[in-house]
Amino acid sequence: ETGVTQSPTHLIKTRGQQVTLRCSSQSGHNTVSWYQQALGQGPQFIFQYYREEENGRGNFPPRFSGLQFPNYSSELNVNALELDDSALYLCASSAGPGGSYEQYFGPGTRLTVT
Amino acid sequence: AQTVTQSQPEMSVQEAETVTLSCTYDTSENNYYLFWYKQPPSRQMILVIRQEAYKQQNATENRFSVNFQKAAKSFSLKISDSQLGDTAMYFCAFMTPGSGYALNFGKGTSLLVTP
Repeated sequence: ETGVTQSPTHLIKTRGQQVTLRCSSQSGHNTVSWYQQALGQGPQFIFQYYREEENGRGNFPPRFSGLQFPNYSSELNVNALELDDSALYLCASSAGPGGSYEQYFGPGTRLTVT
Repeated sequence: AQTVTQSQPEMSVQEAETVTLSCTYDTSENNYYLFWYKQPPSRQMILVIRQEAYKQQNATENRFSVNFQKAAKSFSLKISDSQLGDTAMYFCAFMTPGSGYALNFGKGTSLLVTP
């Protein structure tokens, strides 16, 4: 059974640029959630996708957008990058969107904005 | 607003000893789930233990157990027989239907297990 994978591992971008982060969900999982973890902080919920539809969104501006594909993998897109977007971006997949489904996390993508 | 507070930024414990990590939360919902996650230096977040709010019995997973006090909105984690591999950041989190089942994390407690 393959776990949750994310690419790339590290990324350096310049302020104002756009970035796409990718997440492959665990086999059999149809739900992907994205979190932003700033240095020294707990993860903050960005949004969740369930069966290719956005299923919930945290307090993040519209320049954070996402997609989920038919194979349930997902992308996180961030436009007009700001210095404060520098963080570890985590995705988590689960067998469903409810609280009884464990969220399995990937290793994360470290984004640095200069 | 729904919040999670972990009042101990750092803790240290000797191998084989017991340590308790504190967590309080605030929500107006009656139906929710509570979690402790571990994030070792390798970064991958791992679920340690979970508790459904409607269950009165405290959850236990091997050396890990919780003390869930619903009225006090407290959810502490006890690690017994601490091992060097327990060294990690520990995050308390909760999830409610009203929040779309998003995990709401605290700031974490850094636990160091020493020989």
